[in-house]
Amino acid sequence: DAGVTQSPTHLIKTRGQQVTLRCSPKSGHDTVSWYQQALGQGPQFIFQYYEEEERQRGNFPDRFSGHQFPNYSSELNVNALLLGDSALYLCASSLSEVKAYSNQPQHFGDGTRLSIL
Amino acid sequence: KNEVEQSPQNLTAQEGEFITINCSYSVGISALHWLQQHPGGGIVSLFMLSSGKKKHGRLIATINIQEKHSSLHITASHPRDSAVYICAVSPPNSGNTPLVFGKGTRLSVIA
Repeated sequence: DAGVTQSPTHLIKTRGQQVTLRCSPKSGHDTVSWYQQALGQGPQFIFQYYEEEERQRGNFPDRFSGHQFPNYSSELNVNALLLGDSALYLCASSLSEVKAYSNQPQHFGDGTRLSIL
Repeated sequence: KNEVEQSPQNLTAQEGEFITINCSYSVGISALHWLQQHPGGGIVSLFMLSSGKKKHGRLIATINIQEKHSSLHITASHPRDSAVYICAVSPPNSGNTPLVFGKGTRLSVIA
C-alpha cells in the first residue's frame, strides 16, 4: 500500500519562472493539504483540496494555486517565483471527516525541495 | 507570538537518557499531533491525542487541555531517535482541518 508520493524530489528554478509540484495521496484518502516549510521553520499551511475544490486556504498570495483531480491526486502551482519561495513543499493526505466521522491523522510525503536562483 | 510554541529548540542527549520535549499552544484545539521529521524531510505522525496519555514503544505523549500543554517523552534514547520533533494542533470543529505547527525541536542523541 503506497503512502503519499510527491514529485519531483528536487527542483531548481530561477526567479520569475513557474513551477508545478505533484502529489499522489495514500490509497483510500480523498483530502490533500499542501504545506511550505522554510529552512529551520515549521510547515505553514498553503491550502487544502477536497472533492476537487479548494476548501481552505492559508495566508499565501494568489501566485500559489492548486488543483485536485478525480483520482484525488493534486498539483501545486507557483507563478512568478521569488527567492523567498525556496522551501520544502510537503503534501499530506487524509480521509475526510464525511467518511471517517472523526478527526483523522494526516499522512505526509517526503516533500519536494524547491530552490530558486 | 506563535500559536504553538515548543521547547527546547535544540536538545543534545547521551544515549540512554530520558528526554522530554514540551509544547504549549494558545488556541482552542480538537487534537494535538506529535510528528517526527528526519533530515530527508519526510514527516511521520507519531501521535494524535485530544486528552490524557498515549504510549508507543519508547515514546509517550501527554496532554493537559486545561493548561494547553503537551509533552513528548522518549525513554532509553538511542542515536536513531535523532530527528526534529514537531508539535502541531488541529483547530476545533475541524475533523480534518489543516494543522498549525510549532517550529520543531532538533534532537541529537550521542552514542
